[in-house]
Amino acid sequence: AQSVAQPEDQVNVAEGNPLTVKCTYSVSGNPYLFWYVQYPNRGLQFLLKYITGDNLVKGSYGFEAEFNKSQTSFHLKKPSALVSDSALYFCAVSRRTGFQKLVFGTGTRLLVSP
Amino acid sequence: DARVTQTPRHKVTEMGQEVTMRCQPILGHNTVFWYRQTMMQGLELLAYFRNRAPLDDSGMPKDRFSAEMPDATLATLKIQPSEPRDSAVYFCASGFGTSDTGELFFGEGSRLTVL
Repeated sequence: AQSVAQPEDQVNVAEGNPLTVKCTYSVSGNPYLFWYVQYPNRGLQFLLKYITGDNLVKGSYGFEAEFNKSQTSFHLKKPSALVSDSALYFCAVSRRTGFQKLVFGTGTRLLVSP
Repeated sequence: DARVTQTPRHKVTEMGQEVTMRCQPILGHNTVFWYRQTMMQGLELLAYFRNRAPLDDSGMPKDRFSAEMPDATLATLKIQPSEPRDSAVYFCASGFGTSDTGELFFGEGSRLTVL
């Protein structure tokens, strides 16, 4: 069965500084990897995905993520954080073979201070 | 703007009552997922459908929960009888594709409180 670990419950960063939200995964075979963001009292919104190809994936709102197969990681990054980036971020994984279901991590709360 | 619509947005009920949550997936999407979100458990997958057929409901308590797709425009999640531990936000999400490599679109959620 596939699983995702987000080791940090919360990440604090000052506006303008780079941010990283960590994610490691476990899945048999090659994975599909995703990042979603959730704002208060809202559903999750898709940010980006890794399917195949370039290990650096670019997504919405200036976010990017780097797939590292040897470390089974898919960390979310942004060069310069905005206060409006403050939200709950979820990493998710699914298998490539068979019928995939998306399994989410526990989420990391990002707080960007002015 | 195409979106997943969930009703009700909020529901307060008493233990033992039946609760039905509804979801209208985005037109043309062929996969539908039900997730439950709580502070303690995070996001749990309850059930998912492809082309209206249930493919996996292993995450769902079978004795009280049931999920159906009576047609392509409606998915339902029913709890009977409801218990206080069912209090959570229930999300429906839809997607499209034969390999689920695409993104999921989430509804705003149904916040359930069972007293």
